[in-house]
Amino acid sequence: AQSVTQLGSHVSVSEGALVLLRCNYSSSVPPYLFWYVQYPNQGLQLLLKYTTGATLVKGINGFEAEFKKSETSFHLTKPSAHMSDAAEYFCAVSPNYGGSQGNLIFGKGTKLSVKP
Amino acid sequence: EAQVTQNPRYLITVTGKKLTVTCSQNMNHEYMSWYRQDPGLGLRQIYYSMNVEVTDKGDVPEGYKVSRKEKRNFPLILESPSPNQTSLYFCASSLSRRSGGYTFGSGTRLTVV
Repeated sequence: AQSVTQLGSHVSVSEGALVLLRCNYSSSVPPYLFWYVQYPNQGLQLLLKYTTGATLVKGINGFEAEFKKSETSFHLTKPSAHMSDAAEYFCAVSPNYGGSQGNLIFGKGTKLSVKP
Repeated sequence: EAQVTQNPRYLITVTGKKLTVTCSQNMNHEYMSWYRQDPGLGLRQIYYSMNVEVTDKGDVPEGYKVSRKEKRNFPLILESPSPNQTSLYFCASSLSRRSGGYTFGSGTRLTVV
């Protein structure tokens, strides 16, 4: 079965510093890949997604992620953190074959704190 | 505005008292799904529906029921809630199962005492 591993349940950065949130998936066939953000007391909002094509994907709020098949990774980055980026981030995969095709499987989330 | 609407946002109930959490989307999406979110566990899928009258179990279906009589609505039913169903619930929808990327509702925080 597919699984998603997010390294680090909590990440803290200073305002203006690089944000790097790690995500690895387990699958012999590359799935579709997603990053979602959840602000306090809100639902999840899609940041970006990779399905096919260019492996560097740009999303909203200055975030981007790179699909690396050889490393089975889809890490999320932002060059310069802003206080408003403080939230919980979820990596998710969606198998593109078989009976589970289309279902989203989430990682356990990484809570990002941004220090002034 | 395109959205997924869940009601209620907050609910406190007692063990065994049947309840329904409603979910409605206005985007003509075929695919809808329910998730529960628990600290340290992320989001886990309860049930999903690929279209009207087509539903299937997710990873944690025990104690829940769903129905999909109309395309826009996908209610979650707890026939006999128990304290271990205390959680934050999200409904989500997508144009189709393959389109990728869901629109989520704002969540329902359920407490069962």
